[in-house]
Amino acid sequence: GNSVTQMEGPVTLSEEAFLTINCTYTATGYPSLFWYVQYPGEGLQLLLKATKADDKGSNKGFEATYRKETTSFHLEKGSVQVSDSAVYFCALRGNSGGSNYKLTFGKGTLLTVNP
Amino acid sequence: EAQVTQNPRYLITVTGKKLTVTCSQNMNHEYMSWYRQDPGLGLRQIYYSMNVEVTDKGDVPEGYKVSRKEKRNFPLILESPSPNQTSLYFCASSITQGATGELFFGEGSRLTVL
Repeated sequence: GNSVTQMEGPVTLSEEAFLTINCTYTATGYPSLFWYVQYPGEGLQLLLKATKADDKGSNKGFEATYRKETTSFHLEKGSVQVSDSAVYFCALRGNSGGSNYKLTFGKGTLLTVNP
Repeated sequence: EAQVTQNPRYLITVTGKKLTVTCSQNMNHEYMSWYRQDPGLGLRQIYYSMNVEVTDKGDVPEGYKVSRKEKRNFPLILESPSPNQTSLYFCASSITQGATGELFFGEGSRLTVL
């Protein structure tokens, strides 16, 4: 079945530091890839997505590129802010029907950014 | 405003006392799903529904029931809750049955079973 492996953390950075959170996946067919963010006490919200190989998703200064050759979708940001402190989830969604339409999540990475 | 609404947001109950967590979406989405979130385990799918009257098991369906009588509602039923069902629950919906659509999540329901 489908699976997602991401860097577990926690990750602690100073403001303006560079962020990378690694994510690799295993899936059949041509999944779509997502990064979701969960701020303290809130639900998950979509940060960015990519639906085919070599696509780059971007939002709020975050970027991730769908690399089919390395089955990866690493999240990056050039300069983090305190407000980026949250839990980040890498996820994939399969396209071969039924149960494969679910989002399969990594275990999440807690990011704390200090001033 | 487009949203997924869950109720209750917080609940403390006792073993064996039936409860229902409601979920409603106002986006006319066909696909709806329930997840539970536990420390160190991430989010795991409980049940999903491709459309009205069509439901199926996810990865961890034991101890749960669902129904989909209307497109907008997808309640999660715990017939006889047990302490191992203490968790944070999320309902989600999607506009498309395909892979490219994002899931929209509710704010979560934190359940404690004593």
